[in-house]
Amino acid sequence: DQQVKQNSPSLSVQEGRISILNCDYTNSMFDYFLWYKKYPAEGPTFLISISSIKDKNEDGRFTVFLNKSAKHLSLHIVPSQPGDSAVYFCAVSMNYGGSQGNLIFGKGTKLSVKP
Amino acid sequence: DGGITQSPKYLFRKEGQNVTLSCEQNLNHDAMYWYRQDPGQGLRLIYYSQIVNDFQKGDIAEGYSVSREKKESFPLTVTSAQKNPTAFYLCASSPKNSNQPQHFGDGTRLSIL
Repeated sequence: DQQVKQNSPSLSVQEGRISILNCDYTNSMFDYFLWYKKYPAEGPTFLISISSIKDKNEDGRFTVFLNKSAKHLSLHIVPSQPGDSAVYFCAVSMNYGGSQGNLIFGKGTKLSVKP
Repeated sequence: DGGITQSPKYLFRKEGQNVTLSCEQNLNHDAMYWYRQDPGQGLRLIYYSQIVNDFQKGDIAEGYSVSREKKESFPLTVTSAQKNPTAFYLCASSPKNSNQPQHFGDGTRLSIL
């Protein structure tokens, strides 16, 4: 059973508008949450992260929100640009036992930003 | 520049053959990881290593083997026991502190002839 779910396989947004990508997780023990961006035939690039002690983290146009009670995180991109078109992966980990640092990934959401 | 180098970019294998994918990092990271990505899927963990000469199985280790003789290197062997080896393979590394993001190489695409 999937521990990390990105329920929207794709999202299309107009340039300049806000893109909102969503991610749900099942285990309340997860305490570190990341977003990666991936272009075809390339490795994922780290975008932004948040730890469980926060509910918001901003980096330029990118903001990640964490709702621990709902086990939900989201990535907001404002304003969206055509170069943001890529697949975005949500990833989670827990600082527990021998698997510290191991990431569990969602299936990704393909974002298309139209000029 | 520091980074993770995976080679080759594309690899073809005949059925029944073992093949080894290379992963080298010069980031001085302690931990290294191998993932597999299939179309429309997320990344799934094959093996990981948090220190030289030690490694653990991930979620889908069957049909794969690894070694970690040097801190910089974490090669992955896809054996003939792996029944569906065609995939995009990604190597990553991270510092020992668990709350640090993993950094990825550009991947190797393996195809069966």
